[in-house]
Amino acid sequence: NAGVTQTPKFRVLKTGQSMTLLCAQDMNHEYMYWYRQDPGMGLRLIHYSVGEGTTAKGEVPDGYNVSRLKKQNFLLGLESAAPSQTSVYFCASSYPPSGYGYTFGSGTRLTVV
Amino acid sequence: AQTVTQSQPEMSVQEAETVTLSCTYDTSESDYYLFWYKQPPSRQMILVIRQEAYKQQNATENRFSVNFQKAAKSFSLKISDSQLGDAAMYFCAYRGNDYKLSFGAGTTVTVRA
Repeated sequence: NAGVTQTPKFRVLKTGQSMTLLCAQDMNHEYMYWYRQDPGMGLRLIHYSVGEGTTAKGEVPDGYNVSRLKKQNFLLGLESAAPSQTSVYFCASSYPPSGYGYTFGSGTRLTVV
Repeated sequence: AQTVTQSQPEMSVQEAETVTLSCTYDTSESDYYLFWYKQPPSRQMILVIRQEAYKQQNATENRFSVNFQKAAKSFSLKISDSQLGDAAMYFCAYRGNDYKLSFGAGTTVTVRA
């Protein structure tokens, strides 16, 4: 089925470890986004990309890096995980200038201990 | 990022009754989109309804309708004939000319049988 696929779905990290979250979409969308969801704070934008080879900072970029080497993939990296990065991470994609909203992945629950 | 405010952390409604969720936003743009997303316990983000700011007519999708007041920067969601399956977290979201989606903190809706 067409959509946005996130891997992994769950992960537990120790403080200081690194990891990469993968987001893949098969809808030929130009724009891709990484959000984190925390209780009482909704979804906050970490980084986004407006096309292959481009990335930009969102609202809460510190401690994260991203890459968009291929149009269909958007990677989110944590170089040195901290407990404050415990969250649920969502990837989304959209086709601008469409106002038809975004397609979201099913989320990754990350716990940093 | 644009500010989106949902002032009701929780709402409870009797099955078959109507509930209204509030949302206000802050923007200086004249052309934008507003959305309501539903997030059930499965974590999936589901688009409920969307509104284009240049359209004065309020959007309706089956039992879901909005009251869009552009001057007041208000965008409330009404759920009519509430069903048990409507129980979820609901997020109001704003998309401006930068194509980034800004979310409110969310409202948890409980449906009583």
